[in-house]
Amino acid sequence: NAGVMQNPRHLVRRRGQEARLRCSPMKGHSHVYWYRQLPEEGLKFMVYLQKENIIDESGMPKERFSAEFPKEGPSILRIQQVVRGDSAAYFCASSPGRDTYNEQFFGPGTRLTVL
Amino acid sequence: DQQVKQNSPSLSVQEGRISILNCDYTNSMFDYFLWYKKYPAEGPTFLISISSIKDKNEDGRFTVFLNKSAKHLSLHIVPSQPGDSAVYFCAASEVRGAQKLVFGQGTRLTINP
Repeated sequence: NAGVMQNPRHLVRRRGQEARLRCSPMKGHSHVYWYRQLPEEGLKFMVYLQKENIIDESGMPKERFSAEFPKEGPSILRIQQVVRGDSAAYFCASSPGRDTYNEQFFGPGTRLTVL
Repeated sequence: DQQVKQNSPSLSVQEGRISILNCDYTNSMFDYFLWYKKYPAEGPTFLISISSIKDKNEDGRFTVFLNKSAKHLSLHIVPSQPGDSAVYFCAASEVRGAQKLVFGQGTRLTINP
Protein backbone atom coordinates (compact mmCIF):
# COMPACT_ATOMS: atom_id res chain seq x y z
CA ASN A 1 0.00 0.00 0.00
CA ALA A 2 2.08 2.87 -1.32
CA GLY A 3 2.08 6.14 0.53
CA VAL A 4 2.16 9.61 -0.97
CA MET A 5 4.76 9.76 -3.73
CA GLN A 6 6.67 12.87 -4.68
CA ASN A 7 9.24 13.39 -7.37
CA PRO A 8 11.82 14.50 -7.86
CA ARG A 9 13.20 14.31 -4.33
CA HIS A 10 15.80 16.94 -5.11
CA LEU A 11 15.61 19.60 -7.79
CA VAL A 12 18.24 22.20 -8.67
CA ARG A 13 17.30 25.13 -10.87
CA ARG A 14 19.00 28.34 -11.90
CA ARG A 15 17.26 31.65 -11.41
CA GLY A 16 14.68 32.23 -14.12
CA GLN A 17 14.08 28.55 -14.90
CA GLU A 18 10.87 26.65 -14.25
CA ALA A 19 10.38 24.03 -11.55
CA ARG A 20 7.76 21.27 -11.76
CA LEU A 21 7.03 19.21 -8.67
CA ARG A 22 4.85 16.11 -8.88
CA CYS A 23 2.70 14.40 -6.27
CA SER A 24 0.71 11.16 -6.43
CA PRO A 25 -1.71 10.80 -3.49
CA MET A 26 -2.31 7.64 -1.53
CA LYS A 27 -4.63 5.15 -3.15
CA GLY A 28 -8.22 6.08 -2.45
CA HIS A 29 -7.39 9.68 -1.53
CA SER A 30 -8.99 12.39 -3.63
CA HIS A 31 -7.74 15.48 -1.79
CA VAL A 32 -4.26 16.90 -2.25
CA TYR A 33 -2.55 19.68 -0.33
CA TRP A 34 0.76 21.41 -0.96
CA TYR A 35 2.86 22.91 1.83
CA ARG A 36 6.19 24.73 1.82
CA GLN A 37 8.79 24.62 4.56
CA LEU A 38 11.47 27.28 4.66
CA PRO A 39 14.63 26.53 6.69
CA GLU A 40 14.02 26.47 10.46
CA GLU A 41 10.30 27.14 10.02
CA GLY A 42 7.08 25.17 10.18
CA LEU A 43 5.12 24.05 7.17
CA LYS A 44 2.98 26.69 5.48
CA PHE A 45 -0.15 25.82 3.54
CA MET A 46 -0.11 26.73 -0.14
CA VAL A 47 -3.02 25.11 -1.98
CA TYR A 48 -5.74 22.49 -1.63
CA LEU A 49 -7.01 20.61 -4.67
CA GLN A 50 -9.44 17.93 -5.64
CA LYS A 51 -9.51 16.29 -9.05
CA GLU A 52 -9.73 19.07 -11.66
CA ASN A 53 -10.61 21.67 -8.99
CA ILE A 54 -8.67 24.16 -6.90
CA ILE A 55 -10.55 24.41 -3.61
CA ASP A 56 -8.34 26.84 -1.68
CA GLU A 57 -5.28 28.64 -2.99
CA SER A 58 -5.09 31.25 -0.26
CA GLY A 59 -1.49 30.32 0.57
CA MET A 60 -0.15 30.52 -2.96
CA PRO A 61 1.98 33.51 -3.98
CA LYS A 62 0.02 35.57 -6.47
CA GLU A 63 2.60 35.33 -9.22
CA ARG A 64 4.73 32.57 -10.73
CA PHE A 65 3.09 29.73 -8.76
CA SER A 66 0.34 27.47 -10.05
CA ALA A 67 -1.04 24.05 -9.18
CA GLU A 68 -3.22 21.48 -10.84
CA PHE A 69 -4.65 18.04 -10.13
CA PRO A 70 -5.86 16.64 -13.45
CA LYS A 71 -8.40 13.89 -13.89
CA GLU A 72 -5.57 11.51 -14.75
CA GLY A 73 -2.07 11.66 -13.38
CA PRO A 74 -0.34 13.34 -10.48
CA SER A 75 -0.83 16.75 -9.00
CA ILE A 76 1.69 19.30 -10.27
CA LEU A 77 3.06 22.35 -8.48
CA ARG A 78 4.65 24.65 -11.01
CA ILE A 79 6.97 27.53 -10.21
CA GLN A 80 7.89 29.79 -13.11
CA GLN A 81 10.97 32.00 -13.23
CA VAL A 82 12.32 30.71 -9.93
CA VAL A 83 14.18 33.03 -7.57
CA ARG A 84 16.54 32.19 -4.70
CA GLY A 85 13.75 32.77 -2.18
CA ASP A 86 11.87 29.81 -3.66
CA SER A 87 14.50 27.44 -2.25
CA ALA A 88 12.62 25.31 0.25
CA ALA A 89 11.20 21.88 0.90
CA TYR A 90 7.82 21.38 -0.76
CA PHE A 91 5.57 18.74 0.75
CA CYS A 92 2.46 17.21 -0.67
CA ALA A 93 -0.17 15.59 1.52
CA SER A 94 -3.35 13.67 0.77
CA SER A 95 -6.51 12.82 2.65
CA PRO A 96 -9.57 10.70 1.91
CA GLY A 97 -12.18 13.45 1.78
CA ARG A 98 -14.04 16.32 3.40
CA ASP A 99 -16.39 14.23 5.46
CA THR A 100 -13.67 12.66 7.51
CA TYR A 101 -11.45 14.17 10.12
CA ASN A 102 -8.55 15.72 8.38
CA GLU A 103 -5.62 13.40 8.97
CA GLN A 104 -3.33 14.30 6.14
CA PHE A 105 -0.58 11.94 5.08
CA PHE A 106 2.59 13.48 3.77
CA GLY A 107 5.03 12.55 1.06
CA PRO A 108 8.81 12.70 1.50
CA GLY A 109 9.04 16.17 -0.04
CA THR A 110 10.90 17.79 -2.89
CA ARG A 111 13.87 19.90 -1.92
CA LEU A 112 14.21 22.75 -4.37
CA THR A 113 17.50 24.60 -4.58
CA VAL A 114 17.71 27.72 -6.72
CA LEU A 115 21.23 28.74 -7.68
CA ASP B 1 0.07 36.18 12.44
CA GLN B 2 1.18 32.92 14.02
CA GLN B 3 -2.06 31.13 14.86
CA VAL B 4 -0.32 28.02 16.20
CA LYS B 5 2.71 28.49 18.41
CA GLN B 6 5.26 26.10 19.81
CA ASN B 7 7.29 28.28 22.11
CA SER B 8 10.04 25.78 22.86
CA PRO B 9 12.37 25.34 19.86
CA SER B 10 14.10 22.42 21.55
CA LEU B 11 13.71 19.97 24.41
CA SER B 12 16.15 17.45 25.85
CA VAL B 13 14.89 14.48 27.89
CA GLN B 14 16.52 11.45 29.45
CA GLU B 15 15.62 8.07 27.99
CA GLY B 16 12.81 6.45 29.94
CA ARG B 17 11.47 9.74 31.31
CA ILE B 18 8.40 11.64 30.13
CA SER B 19 8.62 14.13 27.26
CA ILE B 20 6.05 16.93 27.26
CA LEU B 21 5.69 19.10 24.19
CA ASN B 22 3.43 22.13 24.28
CA CYS B 23 1.40 24.05 21.74
CA ASP B 24 -0.82 27.14 21.94
CA TYR B 25 -3.32 28.42 19.41
CA THR B 26 -5.24 31.64 18.97
CA ASN B 27 -7.97 30.84 16.44
CA SER B 28 -11.14 29.78 18.25
CA MET B 29 -12.45 28.22 15.02
CA PHE B 30 -9.89 25.43 15.25
CA ASP B 31 -11.55 22.25 16.42
CA TYR B 32 -9.24 19.49 15.29
CA PHE B 33 -5.63 19.16 16.36
CA LEU B 34 -2.83 16.89 15.24
CA TRP B 35 0.76 16.08 16.13
CA TYR B 36 3.29 15.12 13.50
CA LYS B 37 6.83 13.84 13.90
CA LYS B 38 9.50 14.66 11.36
CA TYR B 39 12.95 13.24 10.76
CA PRO B 40 15.49 15.15 8.63
CA ALA B 41 14.97 14.83 4.87
CA GLU B 42 11.63 13.06 5.35
CA GLY B 43 8.01 14.15 5.30
CA PRO B 44 6.01 14.61 8.52
CA THR B 45 4.52 11.42 9.94
CA PHE B 46 1.12 11.57 11.60
CA LEU B 47 1.26 10.62 15.28
CA ILE B 48 -1.98 11.36 17.05
CA SER B 49 -4.96 13.70 16.86
CA ILE B 50 -7.76 15.04 19.00
CA SER B 51 -11.06 16.74 18.26
CA SER B 52 -12.40 19.58 20.34
CA ILE B 53 -15.13 17.42 21.88
CA LYS B 54 -12.47 15.53 23.80
CA ASP B 55 -9.84 16.60 26.29
CA LYS B 56 -7.59 13.57 26.04
CA ASN B 57 -6.63 10.97 23.46
CA GLU B 58 -4.20 8.16 24.07
CA ASP B 59 -2.36 5.85 21.68
CA GLY B 60 0.30 3.65 23.18
CA ARG B 61 3.12 5.79 24.55
CA PHE B 62 1.56 8.97 23.15
CA THR B 63 -1.15 11.02 24.83
CA VAL B 64 -2.51 14.36 23.67
CA PHE B 65 -4.29 16.69 26.08
CA LEU B 66 -6.50 19.57 24.98
CA ASN B 67 -7.48 22.53 27.17
CA LYS B 68 -9.95 24.50 25.08
CA SER B 69 -10.43 27.31 27.56
CA ALA B 70 -6.70 27.97 27.59
CA LYS B 71 -6.31 27.22 23.86
CA HIS B 72 -3.49 24.87 24.75
CA LEU B 73 -2.57 21.34 23.88
CA SER B 74 0.28 19.10 24.87
CA LEU B 75 1.80 15.84 23.73
CA HIS B 76 3.12 13.43 26.34
CA ILE B 77 5.49 10.65 25.40
CA VAL B 78 6.20 8.08 28.07
CA PRO B 79 8.55 6.38 28.33
CA SER B 80 10.76 8.34 25.94
CA GLN B 81 12.97 6.30 23.64
CA PRO B 82 16.02 7.28 21.53
CA GLY B 83 13.99 6.77 18.34
CA ASP B 84 11.67 9.55 19.50
CA SER B 85 14.40 12.11 18.75
CA ALA B 86 12.90 14.22 15.96
CA VAL B 87 11.14 17.51 15.31
CA TYR B 88 7.53 17.53 16.49
CA PHE B 89 4.94 19.75 14.87
CA CYS B 90 1.58 20.70 16.28
CA ALA B 91 -1.11 21.43 13.66
CA ALA B 92 -4.71 22.61 13.75
CA SER B 93 -7.62 22.76 11.38
CA GLU B 94 -11.25 23.71 11.14
CA VAL B 95 -13.28 20.57 10.39
CA ARG B 96 -15.55 22.56 8.15
CA GLY B 97 -14.25 24.41 5.14
CA ALA B 98 -10.98 23.89 3.35
CA GLN B 99 -9.43 21.88 6.16
CA LYS B 100 -5.97 23.19 5.54
CA LEU B 101 -3.58 22.51 8.38
CA VAL B 102 -1.93 25.38 10.24
CA PHE B 103 1.39 24.29 11.72
CA GLY B 104 3.47 25.49 14.61
CA GLN B 105 7.18 26.13 14.18
CA GLY B 106 8.18 22.77 15.63
CA THR B 107 10.05 21.54 18.70
CA ARG B 108 13.24 19.53 18.32
CA LEU B 109 13.15 16.69 20.85
CA THR B 110 16.39 14.97 21.79
CA ILE B 111 16.30 11.84 23.90
CA ASN B 112 19.55 11.27 25.75
CA PRO B 113 20.63 7.71 26.66
